[in-house]
Amino acid sequence: QSALTQPASVSGSPGQSITISCSGTSTNVGAYNSVSWYQQHPGEAPKLIIYDVNNRPSGVSNRFSGSKSDNTASLTISGVQAEDEADYYCSSYSRNSREVFGGGTKLTVL
Amino acid sequence: QVQLVQSGAEVKKPGASVKVSCKASGYIFTGYYFHWVRQAPGQGLEWMGWINPSSGGTHYAQKFQGWVTLTRDTSISTAYMELSRLKSDDTAVYYCARDLGMIGEPKYYFDSWGQGTLVTVSS
Repeated sequence: QSALTQPASVSGSPGQSITISCSGTSTNVGAYNSVSWYQQHPGEAPKLIIYDVNNRPSGVSNRFSGSKSDNTASLTISGVQAEDEADYYCSSYSRNSREVFGGGTKLTVL
Repeated sequence: QVQLVQSGAEVKKPGASVKVSCKASGYIFTGYYFHWVRQAPGQGLEWMGWINPSSGGTHYAQKFQGWVTLTRDTSISTAYMELSRLKSDDTAVYYCARDLGMIGEPKYYFDSWGQGTLVTVSS
């Protein structure tokens, strides 16, 4: 049971926009602007794509964006491409546990 | 460029210990916190703890306190994670990851990752 709740799967056609939600509580997502998102392709290590809710590391496509409202964070991928098919994990600083992750969302590009 | 290279896969029996290494290159080793994250087969990510490679200070997730030991050897730019009293559900890929921010306080953002080390616990 992960501390943060994500949908198990989402799908979209190339060129569409998709959004992945990440639901937390007032002790993690709702309490801090310390939300991050990771992309993980099969057999690879995760890759940081969003930090501080909506900042992108250098080299990450601007098709990826993040937001937060109350206890829920969201990752939006604009103009989804085949290469975006992967697992996505949200993460947040937590008052109780320092760092917690969501259970992951599998993105399928149709 | 930043590189984190981990030691190879391990097979251990229940009750044994395992020590995984993570050798850093391409930056100043003592300048950034190291974190360890594990991922059980087909499962999500689980944060285990961090080490300050400059001071050797550590902080562990509550679940892993007394059970995981993080150390480092600055002379060879290498961090270590030792997990004791292994159980079958410790079977996972263990990752080292560098914190995004420079030494001060950890930011808990992991901007560079090792390739992962599969630890299999089986009798």
